[in-house]
Amino acid sequence: QLQLQESGPGLVKPSETLSLTCSVSGGSISSSSYYWAWIRQPPGKGLEWIGSIFYSGSTYYTPSLKSRVTISLDTAKNQFSLKLRSLTAADTAVYFCARHSHSGSFSSWGQGTLVTVSS
Amino acid sequence: QSVLTQPPSVSAAPGQKVTISCSGSSSNIGSNYVSWYQQLPGTAPKLHIYDNDKRPSGIPDRFSGSKSGTSATLDITGLQTGDEADYHCATWDNSLSAHVFGGGTKLTIL
Repeated sequence: QLQLQESGPGLVKPSETLSLTCSVSGGSISSSSYYWAWIRQPPGKGLEWIGSIFYSGSTYYTPSLKSRVTISLDTAKNQFSLKLRSLTAADTAVYFCARHSHSGSFSSWGQGTLVTVSS
Repeated sequence: QSVLTQPPSVSAAPGQKVTISCSGSSSNIGSNYVSWYQQLPGTAPKLHIYDNDKRPSGIPDRFSGSKSGTSATLDITGLQTGDEADYHCATWDNSLSAHVFGGGTKLTIL
């Protein structure tokens, strides 16, 4: 059974860079059948897709965050990562990693990690 | 403000049926597959419907999805207290070149 687990700091200062890692077990991130994604949810609000990466390393990001985001793969560790730069309080959210199909359905999710941006 | 519009809340009694709507446009729902997610309090979303009307293994047939034009609906029949959760719709938007979600609908079992 596929499992995803996010890891990273729970508190980050404004203007700094957030780095999160998603560790994948029970399946390979090198599969050509799926994409790997980051999604966030501000407290009490809806879900926002941040970006996705394919096993080849190709990426695509939501336009509103594209200038601040980088998603990368580490196939040796079966992990993928998120970097979000120039943080503000508006970036405070629960961050989820997930796997999705070519048709866009997000079939597996990590449990999520709360990131608070505050000095 | 979300690209996909869902009612903020719906409610119904146990055993009854509820319908949750998701309204979009020709650039998203009108031309792409829709998926639906159940999010229990304090947990990650869980896929309940994909490709408009398909159920993943393990999802009860009380849950069904459909799409017509630029709108999609999630029907839940035989409501149970354990169905109380937030429900989110999602699809791809060709104009934004982004995966987009609805704002979510809170289902309350009376």
